[in-house]
Amino acid sequence: IAGITQAPTSQILAAGRRMTLRCTQDMRHNAMYWYRQDLGLGLRLIHYSNTAGTTGKGEVPDGYSVSRANTDDFPLTLASAVPSQTSVYFCASSDYRKGSNEQFFGPGTRLTVL
Amino acid sequence: AQSVTQLDSQVPVFEEAPVELRCNYSSSVSVYLFWYVQYPNQGLQLLLKYLSGSTLVKGINGFEAEFNKSQTSFHLRKPSVHISDTAEYFCAVILVGDTDKLIFGTGTRLQVFP
Repeated sequence: IAGITQAPTSQILAAGRRMTLRCTQDMRHNAMYWYRQDLGLGLRLIHYSNTAGTTGKGEVPDGYSVSRANTDDFPLTLASAVPSQTSVYFCASSDYRKGSNEQFFGPGTRLTVL
Repeated sequence: AQSVTQLDSQVPVFEEAPVELRCNYSSSVSVYLFWYVQYPNQGLQLLLKYLSGSTLVKGINGFEAEFNKSQTSFHLRKPSVHISDTAEYFCAVILVGDTDKLIFGTGTRLQVFP
């Protein structure tokens, strides 16, 4: 089934630890995104990638890094997790070259940093 | 700065009653407009979108929204809600010419009671 997968589904992490959230899409979309969702704040863009090999900063990039080595994968890394990074993380993709502008979202990763 | 405002954080309504979820935006450039729905413990799903053309847009599950440029609004409506419509609803915009970076509102929790 085409779509976006994220792993892990949930994770409890000690502060200071390194963590990589995985995201894979099989729709051959050129653009991918990472958002965090926090109560009362909606979804905020962390990083994005318009095409393989390029990345850009979103609204809240500090403490996070991404890479886009190929079209399908877009991992998000927390180099040294802090409690304020406790959140639900969503990966999304789109193919704006087709003009639809619709973003497709993964099921999310619930991260708790203690 | 561009922003999206959803004034109602929660909207309680009885089953079969009509509902309107409000969304206003501010932008110095043209925008594309979206409504997404998030069911409990799931990712976001596109309800409907306005790119151009008719200002009344129909989406899935009987929802519709009307783009009002003069009032910079994109309110979501449904004439008769069901229990299954209980979810979080997010309004979002894309700035025309800025690829696909979505700017989200803070969300409205629709709670439908029997």
